[in-house]
Amino acid sequence: SYVLTQPPSMSVAPGQTARITCGGKNIGRKTVHWYQQKPGQAPVLVVYDDSDRPSGIPERFSGSNSGNTATLTISRVEAGDEADYYCQVWDSSSDHGVFGGGAKLTVL
Amino acid sequence: QVQLVESGGGLVKPGGSLRLSCAASGFTFSDYYMSWIRQAPGKGLQWVSYIYSSGGTIYYADSVKGRFTISRDNAQNSLYLQMNSLRAEDTAVYYCARASLDSRGYDAFDYWGQGTLVTVSS
Repeated sequence: SYVLTQPPSMSVAPGQTARITCGGKNIGRKTVHWYQQKPGQAPVLVVYDDSDRPSGIPERFSGSNSGNTATLTISRVEAGDEADYYCQVWDSSSDHGVFGGGAKLTVL
Repeated sequence: QVQLVESGGGLVKPGGSLRLSCAASGFTFSDYYMSWIRQAPGKGLQWVSYIYSSGGTIYYADSVKGRFTISRDNAQNSLYLQMNSLRAEDTAVYYCARASLDSRGYDAFDYWGQGTLVTVSS
């Protein structure tokens, strides 16, 4: 089955840029979506189709996908960005949805 | 506004059954693919099942295939998950989620319910 690998945690100072990675075999050939989840809340879609943003999501959130790594970039990080971030793809070879293990972003 | 409200969670013994419901409002339910996604306490997200808008095509995670059944009633704007032969490892918050029509593969989930907790324990 297809596996997505994320770093368990990372930290960044306010105003800096956070880059959260999602590794998978030839993930660049797939379409990647990203979710933000704050404690006690349901996930929120922040980037879909590798780099598109749903309405209402700040431009500070952007995505890229190439080779074996997809990346969610959060520019000018704010305290309110502290959350767990999950990448997700659809594995068409198995017709299964797949989530990464999640990355906890701490804002220092 | 789009709303998804899950219900039906609770405490059940191993081997027991439970039926989850998800009431949808604020959009044309019959136009959208839907999914169930779960999250064990303190753990990450796990995709469970996916159903096309007509209900004609359905997919399951290997861990629940043969035990869980997803269904929908477009006339009632409702999504269901029948869970049989429950195990301790099925303990989780279960979310229903709408698949975005904006995403190329209709496989990004743009709206989620608040979740319902299923606890499997003796």
